[in-house]
Amino acid sequence: AQRVTQPEKLLSVFKGAPVELKCNYSYSGSPELFWYVQYSRQRLQLLLRHISRESIKGFTADLNKGETSFHLKKPFAQEEDSAMYYCALSGSNSGGYQKVTFGTGTKLQVIP
Amino acid sequence: IAGITQAPTSQILAAGRRMTLRCTQDMRHNAMYWYRQDLGLGLRLIHYSNTAGTTGKGEVPDGYSVSRANTDDFPLTLASAVPSQTSVYFCASSETGVRTNEKLFFGSGTQLSVL
Repeated sequence: AQRVTQPEKLLSVFKGAPVELKCNYSYSGSPELFWYVQYSRQRLQLLLRHISRESIKGFTADLNKGETSFHLKKPFAQEEDSAMYYCALSGSNSGGYQKVTFGTGTKLQVIP
Repeated sequence: IAGITQAPTSQILAAGRRMTLRCTQDMRHNAMYWYRQDLGLGLRLIHYSNTAGTTGKGEVPDGYSVSRANTDDFPLTLASAVPSQTSVYFCASSETGVRTNEKLFFGSGTQLSVL
């Protein structure tokens, strides 16, 4: 079974402070990990994926297989980062098709 | 480019009524999905379709049915709505539905309230 855990429902930080949104996963195979973001009144969209090793809007995330974690980080929070963030794991189901499991989400609130 | 279009945007429904949520995509993606979003529970998969003509059950399929008559459309039907089906429903798609590194594209959601 594949599982994603986001322990924080709400994370409040001051503008300019560092941000870390935690994500832990459970999966028997080789996982593909993603972060999706939902800004107010917008649809859910991909923020970044571990395979790309990219930095989007100043956010980075490193896959740590030893700790089974994929925490999302940003050194200096901005007000426009306030949103709902979902960690997601993509694996294969029994039929060999893609199966995506989402965490429960963390709401990031950046205080001016 | 529209991407994924969902309708209606919101709906208030009496318990026991039948309701179909519509989802259309213009990206010619093979795979489509229906998720429900609930506070504290995140996104949970209701049903999915890997290609036109096939469907499968997700985590929370009870009370819902889907069909995939063609590539573009993936309607979700509540045969007899109950209050616990009050939620925000998101339709999503991915290009092949086979590669695990594919991203999902989401619709703007349908807010459904069952009274």
